Amino acid sequence: AQTVTQSQPEMSVQEAETVTLSCTYDTSESDYYLFWYKQPPSRQMILVIRQEAYKQQNATENRFSVNFQKAAKSFSLKISDSQLGDAAMYFCAYRSAFGTGANSKLTFGKGITLSVRP
Amino acid sequence: DTEVTQTPKHLVMGMTNKKSLKCEQHMGHRAMYWYKQKAKKPPELMFVYSYEKLSINESVPSRFSPECPNSSLLNLHLHALQPEDSALYLCASSQAGLAGAGTGELFFGEGSRLTVL
Repeated sequence: AQTVTQSQPEMSVQEAETVTLSCTYDTSESDYYLFWYKQPPSRQMILVIRQEAYKQQNATENRFSVNFQKAAKSFSLKISDSQLGDAAMYFCAYRSAFGTGANSKLTFGKGITLSVRP
Repeated sequence: DTEVTQTPKHLVMGMTNKKSLKCEQHMGHRAMYWYKQKAKKPPELMFVYSYEKLSINESVPSRFSPECPNSSLLNLHLHALQPEDSALYLCASSQAGLAGAGTGELFFGEGSRLTVL
């Protein structure tokens, strides 16, 4: 079974600074997706960034980028130029790229609460 | 349209009530999900429907009864719930998990906040 580990429960960053959120995972599969989801207090789970395991290039979305280390099974999220609106709970998640049904589910880490100091 | 719509947003019910949560998407997704989420915790998977058939039931108590009437709709019927069932219930959809299909991501609704008295 796949597992996702986020070991830091909370982090804080000064507005305009850069912060990195850590995530490790365990799987025996060769192809899969990794995601970072953001959940602000408004509660909707929003996709921040996606990485496909077969792509070696790290994904980037504006101020958000990942450091994907497949051999180390590590998938960290870097937020540059942090903004007050980035304050939220962030979840790292894994999904198999194979099959349907049981293999289509998303496995979440425990999440990390990010606060942004003005 | 990239939305998953959930109704109602808030629901308060007694332990003897019967109520339903509804979820709708029009993205042509063939996999739909119910998750339960407690405060400051990750979502916990309850059910997965794939091509309108129940493919995963994560040992959810029978007081929760899912239904997928068609490819766009997903319901969660609630009956004789307990106070510990109070939580945020999230619906999500995705392209069915065929190898290489789509972007792999799940699209989430805003959730239904359930309080059981």
